[in-house]
Amino acid sequence: AQRVTQPEKLLSVFKGAPVELKCNYSYSGSPELFWYVQYSRQRLQLLLRHISRESIKGFTADLNKGETSFHLKKPFAQEEDSAMYYCALSDYGGSQGNLIFGKGTKLSVKP
Amino acid sequence: ETGVTQSPTHLIKTRGQQVTLRCSSQSGHNTVSWYQQALGQGPQFIFQYYREEENGRGNFPPRFSGLQFPNYSSELNVNALELDDSALYLCASSPGVSVSNTEAFFGQGTRLTVV
Repeated sequence: AQRVTQPEKLLSVFKGAPVELKCNYSYSGSPELFWYVQYSRQRLQLLLRHISRESIKGFTADLNKGETSFHLKKPFAQEEDSAMYYCALSDYGGSQGNLIFGKGTKLSVKP
Repeated sequence: ETGVTQSPTHLIKTRGQQVTLRCSSQSGHNTVSWYQQALGQGPQFIFQYYREEENGRGNFPPRFSGLQFPNYSSELNVNALELDDSALYLCASSPGVSVSNTEAFFGQGTRLTVV
């Protein structure tokens, strides 16, 4: 079954420290993976998607098919990065375009 | 360009009742997806509508139903409410069904409490 696992409910780091938010997936086909972010009192929004191979707000994520992982990384965390982060997988199966989300990781960046 | 709006923002219903949640998609978007987010969980896909037709469904019982209108706004209906239906319901719209070249834009959600 398709599944997204985010093993950490909470990740706390100091400003300037590197950040890695873990995401592992289970999918039988060729997945499309995303990171969504929800800042305090704001709506869920797309941070980045693996097919774009882009860096947004200093965050990057590399799809590792061998390890079935899509970890989100940033070399130097900022206080404004504090938010809830969700890893998501696009399930093309019979339901084209729906997203399967992990349970989320709350990132707290301390001054 | 307006964003995705959902109404109401909060509501309380009694077990066994029926509820209708509404979503106005972002201008130019013809695809709407609904998600249920229980406390401490990630959003869970309920179903998707594309050009007024259901285009996919998650693992939810038939008492969860929906509609999409010609202006691409959408409704989520839940019959025979159960306590476990208490959750945040999210609506997301996108310009098309191919996720590889589109982004899902989420509304603020409707917080449903079933007592």
